[in-house]
Amino acid sequence: SYELTQAPSVSVSPGQTARITCSGHKLGDKYASWYQQRPGQSPVLVIYEDSKRPSGIPERFSGSNSWNTATLTISGTQAMDEADYYCQTWDSSSVVFGGGTKLTVL
Amino acid sequence: EVHLVESGGGLVQPGGSLRLSCAASGFTFTTYAMSWVRQAPGKGLEWVSTISGSGIDTYSADSVKGRFTISRDISKNTLYLQMNSLRAEDTAIYYCAKDTQTVAGTSFDYWGQGTLVTVSS
Repeated sequence: SYELTQAPSVSVSPGQTARITCSGHKLGDKYASWYQQRPGQSPVLVIYEDSKRPSGIPERFSGSNSWNTATLTISGTQAMDEADYYCQTWDSSSVVFGGGTKLTVL
Repeated sequence: EVHLVESGGGLVQPGGSLRLSCAASGFTFTTYAMSWVRQAPGKGLEWVSTISGSGIDTYSADSVKGRFTISRDISKNTLYLQMNSLRAEDTAIYYCAKDTQTVAGTSFDYWGQGTLVTVSS
């Protein structure tokens, strides 16, 4: 079955750029989406179709997807961006989520 | 405004059954595929099942195939998940999520607040 791999944790200083990656075989040939989940809350879609932002998502969130890696970039990271981030794709009639990356802003 | 409200969770013994419901509002229910995603305590997101907007096509994770059934009632704008032969490893918060298109295979733009299912004797 298809797998998506994410680093368990990423740390960033406030105002800096955070990059969270998601790796999978030929992931660049599929669409990748990203979700933010703050503690005790439901997930929120922040990027879909590799690089599109839903309405209401700040411009500091951006995405890319090429070859085997999708990347979520958060520019000018704020304390409120501290959360778990999950990548997601679709393969062989199944939804696949990455294991999640905990973003710490310190 | 889109609203998804799950209900039906609770404590059930191993081998038991439970039916989850998700009441949807704020969008044309038949236009979008709908899904269930679960999250075990302290763990990541795990997809469970998806049903197309028409209700004709369904997809399920291998871990629940043959035990869980997804369905939708367009007259009630409600999504269901019938869960049978429950196991301890099914313990999780179950989220209802709206897909971004009619067919499966996209992303989830709205999520409910979740309902907790605990399988324990």
